[in-house]
Amino acid sequence: GAVVSQHPSRVICKSGTSVKIECRSLDFQATTMFWYRQFPKQSLMLMATSNEGSKATYEQGVEKDKFLINHASLTLSTLTVTSAHPEDSSFYICSAREPGAHYGYTFGSGTRLTVV
Amino acid sequence: DAKTTQPPSMDCAEGRAANLPCNHSTISGNEYVYWYRQIHSQGPQYIIHGLKNNETNEMASLIITEDRKSSTLILPHATLRDTAVYYCIVNLARSGGYQKVTFGIGTKLQVIP
Repeated sequence: GAVVSQHPSRVICKSGTSVKIECRSLDFQATTMFWYRQFPKQSLMLMATSNEGSKATYEQGVEKDKFLINHASLTLSTLTVTSAHPEDSSFYICSAREPGAHYGYTFGSGTRLTVV
Repeated sequence: DAKTTQPPSMDCAEGRAANLPCNHSTISGNEYVYWYRQIHSQGPQYIIHGLKNNETNEMASLIITEDRKSSTLILPHATLRDTAVYYCIVNLARSGGYQKVTFGIGTKLQVIP
């Protein structure tokens, strides 16, 4: 089946710095990918839809200038958390769907971000 | 997307069948029922999906009521590795379409030795 690779799996950064998270579709092309955030003991919350070659679509309440999304190729989307603060510490997950597949979406393994 | 309702938690004895219910009373005729699970600190994993017929694969069985307003995911012989949060999601399965997938709270299944 389809594989979505996410990197890094864990990252610790200092407050005020930026962190980039990569999401790759390994064996298929994905014109659309999705980014989620998950706080402890909560469900996944959709942050934005990443569209190859165009601007991302952000969910209500998500700051687009803080969470920069770039989908420059058909297999790679990146999420950059800019000027990170401790409240941005969370589990970030991406997903994509293999074209023509009816088994739904494939999710990355997630990135645990800790801002200190 | 139609909303779903699931019990927040369930326990199941190891080796027994785990039956996880989901209500989706506002499901529309072309929406599929999907089940995913999330083991702690991992990304969600696809389990099974169906439209109106019952489905079975190597992981689980999916029973959908005739009126499609509810469904049950069955893990026939639960193991400790099945301890996870299980999400029931209703979504369109259009080939080439990209529907947003939104998650509810899911059911936290605890398999007990």
